[in-house]
Amino acid sequence: DTAVSQTPKYLVTQMGNDKSIKCEQNLGHDTMYWYKQDSKKFLKIMFSYNNKELIINETVPNRFSPKSPDKAHLNLHINSLELGDSAVYFCASSHGGRTGSTGELFFGEGSRLTVL
Amino acid sequence: AQSVTQLGSHVSVSEGALVLLRCNYSSSVPPYLFWYVQYPNQGLQLLLKYTTGATLVKGINGFEAEFKKSETSFHLTKPSAHMSDAAEYFCAVRRSGGSYIPTFGRGTSLIVHP
Repeated sequence: DTAVSQTPKYLVTQMGNDKSIKCEQNLGHDTMYWYKQDSKKFLKIMFSYNNKELIINETVPNRFSPKSPDKAHLNLHINSLELGDSAVYFCASSHGGRTGSTGELFFGEGSRLTVL
Repeated sequence: AQSVTQLGSHVSVSEGALVLLRCNYSSSVPPYLFWYVQYPNQGLQLLLKYTTGATLVKGINGFEAEFKKSETSFHLTKPSAHMSDAAEYFCAVRRSGGSYIPTFGRGTSLIVHP
């Protein structure tokens, strides 16, 4: 039973389109994240939600909009896709901010987005 | 503020040789330190972590790391590399109090030659 699952695993789309990536975790964590990994493997945090509330919103174009319907889900919607959005997007979860929690992250397998 | 520096974007070793991946951090408070591994086309998974207590920590697949406060380092080692160790390795730091969002290094690609 996958702990952090993302769908779809691969996305190929044209510039200007809108796409969504879904993420679900069954670990009982209260914090979820979206990371973007570029072609050089650099990991950049995009968003973090704690108990469905947005707590981190890094400098990300507002074409990217996260939504957390509940603690176990964090979706990412991207409008008007651009070539530079091509990357692997990782969802992760953790116990965040709780006393005694070391906060290690559990990652999904990634969603590879290719914009043509 | 906290930051992580991984020395060397690529490290190449022969199978059976010692693996040493370097990580230096800065943190204004005692840190929690992590190493993650990313195999090709997969997500990151935790290799090991340091929180408190013993400064030499052991992880999965024969890896270990030593927290050295005086050197602000948390280098990852394995006595004998295996072909299956070829992967991307990330060091991460987070504060032991306050913000729990980790900061990742830029990653080191480990290449293992037969």
